[in-house]
Amino acid sequence: DIQMTQSPSSLSASVGDSVTITCRASQSISNYLNWYQEKPGKAPRLLIYAASSLQSGVPSRFSGSGSGTDFTLTISSLQPEDFSTYYCQQSFTTPWTFGLGTRVEIK
Amino acid sequence: QVQLQESGPGLVRPSQTLSLTCTVSGGSIRRSADFWTWIRHSAGKGLEWIGRISTSGSTNYNPSLRSRVSVSVDTSGTQFFLEMTSVTAADTAVYYCARQKRGEQLYTWFDSWGQGTLVTVSS
Repeated sequence: DIQMTQSPSSLSASVGDSVTITCRASQSISNYLNWYQEKPGKAPRLLIYAASSLQSGVPSRFSGSGSGTDFTLTISSLQPEDFSTYYCQQSFTTPWTFGLGTRVEIK
Repeated sequence: QVQLQESGPGLVRPSQTLSLTCTVSGGSIRRSADFWTWIRHSAGKGLEWIGRISTSGSTNYNPSLRSRVSVSVDTSGTQFFLEMTSVTAADTAVYYCARQKRGEQLYTWFDSWGQGTLVTVSS
């Protein structure tokens, strides 16, 4: 299985800050990488697919980049509703696998 | 916009079978070119893909669970199901159903999810 490693596991930031989350795959996955946001009791939300394509309806402050094994999710100008947990997921090959998540907390 | 909702018992006894239903509204499973998927989130393993079914009925499973898992769809095209046999405490998790969308060049992603249902395995 392809292992997905996210860093950091958690971070503290303030409203208006820009934050970057990193995801590393255990082997090259081209740009077959998706990002999700998860909040307790709510359906997970797709943010980015194919490493850098913004899902319809997702604010433009979210952006993704990367290829091969190293990827980033950037949230520019954090908003109160952005404090949650973020996961990367590889769609290169089955079994599809996820990172362990990055929790973004209010400083 | 398609919506998904999981349902099923919240408590399952060890060694028994876990059975969950996902009800799809706002679209038909049968008329979709996508996959219909089960994913779980546990404290021990994080998010874990369990398996999926296509509109033609073909299935794929996570090798780590293949021997115990079955995904099926009903004839009306509004529900699909998960069965997991011989459950243990390690199967305690929030279970999600989701649509796996197909894009160009084999890109896929989970674009619609249910809210999840907590299943606890305990005697």
